Amino acid sequence: RKEVEQDPGPFNVPEGATVAFNCTYSNSASQSFFWYRQDCRKEPKLLMSVYSSGNEDGRFTAQLNRASQYISLLIRDSKLSDSATYLCVVIALYNQGGKLIFGQGTELSVKP
Amino acid sequence: NAGVTQTPKFQVLKTGQSMTLQCAQDMNHEYMSWYRQDPGMGLRLIHYSVGAGITDQGEVPNGYNVSRSTTEDFPLRLLSAAPSQTSVYFCASSRDRVSEQYFGPGTRLTVT
Repeated sequence: RKEVEQDPGPFNVPEGATVAFNCTYSNSASQSFFWYRQDCRKEPKLLMSVYSSGNEDGRFTAQLNRASQYISLLIRDSKLSDSATYLCVVIALYNQGGKLIFGQGTELSVKP
Repeated sequence: NAGVTQTPKFQVLKTGQSMTLQCAQDMNHEYMSWYRQDPGMGLRLIHYSVGAGITDQGEVPNGYNVSRSTTEDFPLRLLSAAPSQTSVYFCASSRDRVSEQYFGPGTRLTVT
């Protein structure tokens, strides 16, 4: 079983749609939680951190449920520029360091 | 403020050659790490550093060395390149081991 599992993609949605991504993680000792986006052949870029209290940044809302080990991302009013691969990321402690554990990514394609 | 920079962007090596991938950050981050990204594998941690003078191995350290003589720089050395090291290499930095990590633009390495 993968340490971080995401909805399989791709998601093809029209502009203006609301889309939700889900993610589960297996390590209950995971420390921190994030959503990153990655455009084709570029570096992952931080989209937002995820907290149990939930957090919102414009059209994006993220939620963490530690009891269920579940992370979600909601994108409202999708734009063409939202097309990318969305990565659910968990930080687990690793010896003296912290290791980012990435989900396999969910591809989003927003169409006109 | 350039964030995390990496050089070179592209490199082709022959089997057995050695080279150094450069990484620098200007955010005064203590924590830096190197990942490789292969198709279908996600990002895997190669080496990390929790501060100047301190480095440790990640999940896939074989064939790579690192050093951290300054807070800003964290070079990755390939000792004797092998075709299995063909990959995209990302350097990342963060305030500490559980905070969000910021990625450089990556180095695309091909070993023939």
